[in-house]
Amino acid sequence: DAKTTQPPSMDCAEGRAANLPCNHSTISGNEYVYWYRQIHSQGPQYIIHGLKNNETNEMASLIITEDRKSSTLILPHATLRDTAVYYCIVSPFIFGNEKLTFGTGTRLTIIP
Amino acid sequence: NAGVTQTPKFRVLKTGQSMTLLCAQDMNHEYMYWYRQDPGMGLRLIHYSVGEGTTAKGEVPDGYNVSRLKKQNFLLGLESAAPSQTSVYFCASSYSTGQGSNQPQHFGDGTRLSIL
Repeated sequence: DAKTTQPPSMDCAEGRAANLPCNHSTISGNEYVYWYRQIHSQGPQYIIHGLKNNETNEMASLIITEDRKSSTLILPHATLRDTAVYYCIVSPFIFGNEKLTFGTGTRLTIIP
Repeated sequence: NAGVTQTPKFRVLKTGQSMTLLCAQDMNHEYMYWYRQDPGMGLRLIHYSVGEGTTAKGEVPDGYNVSRLKKQNFLLGLESAAPSQTSVYFCASSYSTGQGSNQPQHFGDGTRLSIL
């Protein structure tokens, strides 16, 4: 049962903001939204996560809609090194159940 | 700071052979996980552990066993390897707040395993 829906692929020009959407219409009140990325078959790399407020860190910003049914990951100034598969994951905040379910993600290609 | 280290990085086995994959983390994390990733697919959870001496099944546990005898190590065993277990295996670890965790998982670089 897919909890998230992401476009299979996206392109973005180098230096521009990359906006990656994710739908999670069945998200529960205790579920967080996580974003990871995987660069060229390396291990996944954590980017950011949030519950209901917008979040920002040194890598990206996460915008979650008020109804929490969708979110957008924003890479403000994309570089070629941001080319990767990006995974949007929802996971509950329940002790002993901190499991991540990865879908197929969005393959983001940064164009020079 | 090495983070999560997986050993070996590559391995080729014959059907029916056994082997153990080792995952070691130096971040004093309570939680550890084993995933597999097949071509064109996302990661699928095999087994996980919420502390030393405890393990639990994930989404695809059949054909695998695990052990967590030391907090820093999480071992994944294949007792009788099958071609369907050809995959890339990733280990991860995360910190626990003790009351449920929303802490991110830190991943190793993977073990590429081929079963002939």
